[in-house]
Order: sequence, then C-alpha cells, then structure tokens
Amino acid sequence: QSVLTQPPSASGTPGQRVTISCSGSSSNIGSNFVYWFQQFPGTAPKLLIYRNNQRPSGVPDRFSGSKSGTSASLAISGLRSEDEANYHCAVWDDSLNWVFGGGTSLTVL
Amino acid sequence: EVQLVESGGGLVQPGGSLRLSCAASGFTFSNYEFNWVRQAPGKGLEWISYISSGGDNIYYAESVKGRFTISRDNTNNSLYLHLSSLRAEDTALYYCTRHHFDYGIDHWGQGALVTVSS
Repeated sequence: QSVLTQPPSASGTPGQRVTISCSGSSSNIGSNFVYWFQQFPGTAPKLLIYRNNQRPSGVPDRFSGSKSGTSASLAISGLRSEDEANYHCAVWDDSLNWVFGGGTSLTVL
Repeated sequence: EVQLVESGGGLVQPGGSLRLSCAASGFTFSNYEFNWVRQAPGKGLEWISYISSGGDNIYYAESVKGRFTISRDNTNNSLYLHLSSLRAEDTALYYCTRHHFDYGIDHWGQGALVTVSS
C-alpha cells in the first residue's frame, strides 16, 4: 500500500485536458514539495515536475503541477498519444524518506 | 552526460544475498546524494535507501532496515546496495537514482533486476 494515493488509471482523448490527483497527509504533501515522474513501459522514470509546479528544461508546458493542502495534481493539456505512460507522484517527507504514489496509468483513447 | 549504470542483479534463493553496484559518470559524484528505489513487476515505485554525499547520513525504508546496506566509494564514483536475508517480496527492478536539492530525483539508472526464488 503506497503512502500517497493516486487513481490507478486515467484516460482522455487527443487534445483534451486530463488531471491526475495525488493525496497525502500533513507530514508529506502538506509540508513538503511534490514531484512527478513519467514512466514509459520498460524504461526508467523521468522527472516531469519538481517543487510542486516547476518543469525541468525540455518538458513541454502542456504539463503543469499544483498543490493545495495535502493534495497535489498533475495536469496535461492538449493531450497527445505520446503522453500515454505511467505517472508517479512523490514527496521527500518529514522523516527524510521518499514516499511515492502507486502510479497512474494514462491511456489516450 | 549524466550516466548511472547498475549491475549485479540476478536470481537468488530466499535467504540469500546480493550486491548491486551503480557506476556513475558525467558529473562530480562526490558532490551528490543518492537513493535506491525499486519497482516490483507491475507495481509502483518504492524508496529503499538514501546516502548523503559523504556517506555519513544514511536512511532506510522500514521494509529493508536491518537487511539492506547502502554504501558508496567516492574515489571510484560508485554506489552500492548490499541485499541480505532476501525474500520473495524483494523481487524487483532496483534503480540507482541521483538526489538533488532542487529537482528531487533528477536522474535514474536503467535498473538492475533482482529475482528472489527457489
């Protein structure tokens, strides 16, 4: 059972806006930064969003992150077929441990 | 270019031991902290352990505390994870990851597969 809670799956059609939620507690999301990783099958995860809403260079601005209280969200606008992947949220929590969500499998219909 | 290359994975019997290595290149290894993160087949990511740049601060997940040992060799730009008292539930792909103050986990290796089975 993962410390952070994500929906196991999400879907959308090309061009749509999709959001993936990540729920935690006061000791993780509530008091620390949230990170998001994108993972394609058979490959290692890749950093997508850091410090709640910052994009590393090379990540399209279609991807955005937000945080409110003990929850966070990843939004993907202008959905494309190449966005079909697994998305993981994570926090470096108060106990100096990384905690992850269970991951969300995004399908582009 | 930052590269993290894991090695040492394989098939091991329950109760057995294994040592994973991670060879780093493309950056000043001794300046960075690292984590091991694992992913069981078809499952999510699970953090295992953290080590500071000098090796003096180390943390473990409760699931592996007392069984796994993280270490590093700043002379040889290498990170290690010694796994012992292995159980079937330790079967996973083990990733070496670079920890960054701003970016969180900014680089991942390709993973080393550990299979615990009789």
